[in-house]
Amino acid sequence: EDKVVQSPLSLVVHEGDTVTLNCSYEVTNFRSLLWYKQEKKAPTFLFMLTSSGIEKKSGRLSSILDKKELFSILNITATQTGDSAVYLCALTPTGNQFYFGTGTSLTVIP
Amino acid sequence: EAQVTQNPRYLITVTGKKLTVTCSQNMNHEYMSWYRQDPGLGLRQIYYSMNVEVTDKGDVPEGYKVSRKEKRNFPLILESPSPNQTSLYFCASSPGLADPYEQYFGPGTRLTVT
Repeated sequence: EDKVVQSPLSLVVHEGDTVTLNCSYEVTNFRSLLWYKQEKKAPTFLFMLTSSGIEKKSGRLSSILDKKELFSILNITATQTGDSAVYLCALTPTGNQFYFGTGTSLTVIP
Repeated sequence: EAQVTQNPRYLITVTGKKLTVTCSQNMNHEYMSWYRQDPGLGLRQIYYSMNVEVTDKGDVPEGYKVSRKEKRNFPLILESPSPNQTSLYFCASSPGLADPYEQYFGPGTRLTVT
């Protein structure tokens, strides 16, 4: 059964800290892993990862995938209060079915 | 403005009373999907549709029906709602198989079944 596990469940940091969010998975077939940000409303897309070892970056956020060890990490550097959100990891084995983790709740304190 | 709309945004209903949650997108997307989000369980896929008249079950389809008669609309039907269907529901769409991953989510529908 395809499964996505995220850790930690929640995290509280101070502005300026760097955080690392983890996503591990079990899957019968792998197509892509995706990261979303959810701020009390609909999730918004951050990254899609298909190949191992290739880092995706967008400003202070970056993500990388390890297909051998079956995990991905999402890094946020120099955190700001606007980064406070739930970060969701999702797996798609087929491109049309999606399995989400339960998310990591990040709170950034000023 | 490119968007996915859902109606209603909030609904309180009673067990057994049929209801429909509408979803519409104005981006000419081929792929559409429904999810429910529950505390501790995350987002779970209910149904998805690759195109008009093509629908398939997701992870938790029991108690739900969908239809895709037009490209822009993908309604979610609960024929006989039960309290365990109380949840936050999201509709999502994306361009299609060539780029199915950047899903655009609707604002959500909070459903309470008493």
